[in-house]
Amino acid sequence: DAKTTQPTSMDCAEGRAANLPCNHSTISGNEYVYWYRQIHSQGPQYIIHGLKNNETNEMASLIITEDRKSSTLILPHATLRDTAVYYCIVRAYTGFQKLVFGTGTRLLVSP
Amino acid sequence: DTAVSQTPKYLVTQMGNDKSIKCEQNLGHDTMYWYKQDSKKFLKIMFSYNNKELIINETVPNRFSPKSPDKAHLNLHINSLELGDSAVYFCASSHHRNTGELFFGEGSRLTVL
Repeated sequence: DAKTTQPTSMDCAEGRAANLPCNHSTISGNEYVYWYRQIHSQGPQYIIHGLKNNETNEMASLIITEDRKSSTLILPHATLRDTAVYYCIVRAYTGFQKLVFGTGTRLLVSP
Repeated sequence: DTAVSQTPKYLVTQMGNDKSIKCEQNLGHDTMYWYKQDSKKFLKIMFSYNNKELIINETVPNRFSPKSPDKAHLNLHINSLELGDSAVYFCASSHHRNTGELFFGEGSRLTVL
């Protein structure tokens, strides 16, 4: 019951910006967009989340369109260690909601 | 200091055996979770506890029984193991039940022969 659509895979050159898109056209007004990543053989790692304003932290930036139907996770200077599966998840912030993972985007960062 | 730690990391066992996976978090979080990642890499939630109270119990065979002796620990016991139970099991915790920011452990890879 994932509510997002992401490309299966993407490539990025080391040092360049990685822009990972996510479509969430059925997002509700009380749902946030969360991004996680899973590096091979490790547990998922929280990256960032947002409601409608753009967000930035030490790991990445999140750009959400004005209609909130899509978003882009930006890794400004991708490194080889950013190679991972990236999951875009929508989840209501109020009340208890499960975090439902989809199939994600496999990002390969190459030298 | 590992925030969410699971033991064992690897577990190989025979069909029909009973095994447990332990999880501990030192973050002072109220809520803990068990997720299962199968061979196709799908991550699915199994259980969630909030302050030792079960709040999520997905459609999981009753051979799986979680136990939370205190809010820092959530163990997973599996009876009569089957081949299909082979997977990586991830424990996670969050500050409270309403947040989507989860901290995951490194996983426990269970192989049933």
